[in-house]
Amino acid sequence: DAGITQSPRHKVTETGTPVTLRCHQTENHRYMYWYRQDPGHGLRLIHYSYGVKDTDKGEVSDGYSVSRSKTEDFLLTLESATSSQTSVYFCAISESGGQGTYEQYFGPGTRLTVT
Amino acid sequence: GQSLEQPSEVTAVEGAIVQINCTYQTSGFYGLSWYQQHDGGAPTFLSYNALDGLEETGRFSSFLSRSDSYGYLLLQELQMKDSASYFCAVDGQNFVFGPGTRLSVLP
Repeated sequence: DAGITQSPRHKVTETGTPVTLRCHQTENHRYMYWYRQDPGHGLRLIHYSYGVKDTDKGEVSDGYSVSRSKTEDFLLTLESATSSQTSVYFCAISESGGQGTYEQYFGPGTRLTVT
Repeated sequence: GQSLEQPSEVTAVEGAIVQINCTYQTSGFYGLSWYQQHDGGAPTFLSYNALDGLEETGRFSSFLSRSDSYGYLLLQELQMKDSASYFCAVDGQNFVFGPGTRLSVLP
């Protein structure tokens, strides 16, 4: 299995508070992704990174920011959590990206509940 | 934009063969992927088709027709452990997942 960990695995937070989720990889892959998964929507891309300090928006980026200061870590921040951000968040990595992403490896997920 | 369609649910019995279809619309196309996800688990990669035709990996095969913007995942000799959700994903301008097909394998 690819070495990807996510922390925390579960979190309950209140509306309006900031939340940071961490993704850590030991594979030295260049590309990292944050997805959210909700019933009936599959996986939707929030943000992705194609290198240290290089990030771009995905399909559902509003209300989220990311940072990547090291190859191995990709942080997702909910600036002011809302109930609509209650979801399961998955981090993924891949060796290639853009033109021909081929295979993505997923972390175990973080279940976030915003009350 | 990009969009994908899959059946929401499929049911089959152990030992049978099942086909899960995926149609897509995309601007730019590099390939079509398939992922499996068991309840409570993370998606795991099954296959990637960049060219037209059939790719076989054990009991699973994946087919792509670029001219029809269509692909399918074929699962043979179904086992109970194959009960899971299956997602197609198009690798184009962006990497976009379909809504998923829940496969239930009955004894």
